[in-house]
Amino acid sequence: SQQGEEDPQALSIQEGENATMNCSYKTSINNLQWYRQNSGRGLVHLILIRSNEREKHSGRLRVTLDTSKKSSSLLITASRAADTASYFCATAESDSWGKLQFGAGTQVVVTP
Amino acid sequence: DSGVTQTPKHLITATGQRVTLRCSPRSGDLSVYWYQQSLDQGLQFLIQYYNGEERAKGNILERFSAQQFPDLHSELNLSSLELGDSALYFCASSTHGDNEQFFGPGTRLTVL
Repeated sequence: SQQGEEDPQALSIQEGENATMNCSYKTSINNLQWYRQNSGRGLVHLILIRSNEREKHSGRLRVTLDTSKKSSSLLITASRAADTASYFCATAESDSWGKLQFGAGTQVVVTP
Repeated sequence: DSGVTQTPKHLITATGQRVTLRCSPRSGDLSVYWYQQSLDQGLQFLIQYYNGEERAKGNILERFSAQQFPDLHSELNLSSLELGDSALYFCASSTHGDNEQFFGPGTRLTVL
């Protein structure tokens, strides 16, 4: 079963625009992680945000976490064609030894 | 490059057969996780080891087993293979259960 649900399922934007995707989850968590996957390849770790953090930045990425609403968002600013990929959120539940539960992902297509 | 290596990259076999997937974690990481990615189930956690001991189990079939060796590499054994076992199998590693997980490139298993 999947813990998270991502919204939207697919997103198509032009280079230079911002892309925002959301993730909702069901249980209390230790942390939430975002990953990128390029067509059937390995998952690339983007950012980890802990349950006591509200916002985190890494380069063009901004992640927020609202534990009261059990939701997170990933913002990619000034998108590039190379950002075309599937983006997944994954949650590590409290007392879960770190096992991650993934959402279904958001497919992002950035056109030049 | 995440520093996690997996072999083989591709595996094609027949129903009823047994295969072994191998994973070497990043240097210094004690935790190893196995995940399965399929079109219908998405990314599913299978099993986790920490310093040689099993720590968490997910939706792992009884036909599947894993172990982590003293040098920290891990193997996932899949037996009595069925068509539905065709999937991408990922290994990930982390220093600690509460930290970032870094994924290997995956092994694509095709069962004919």
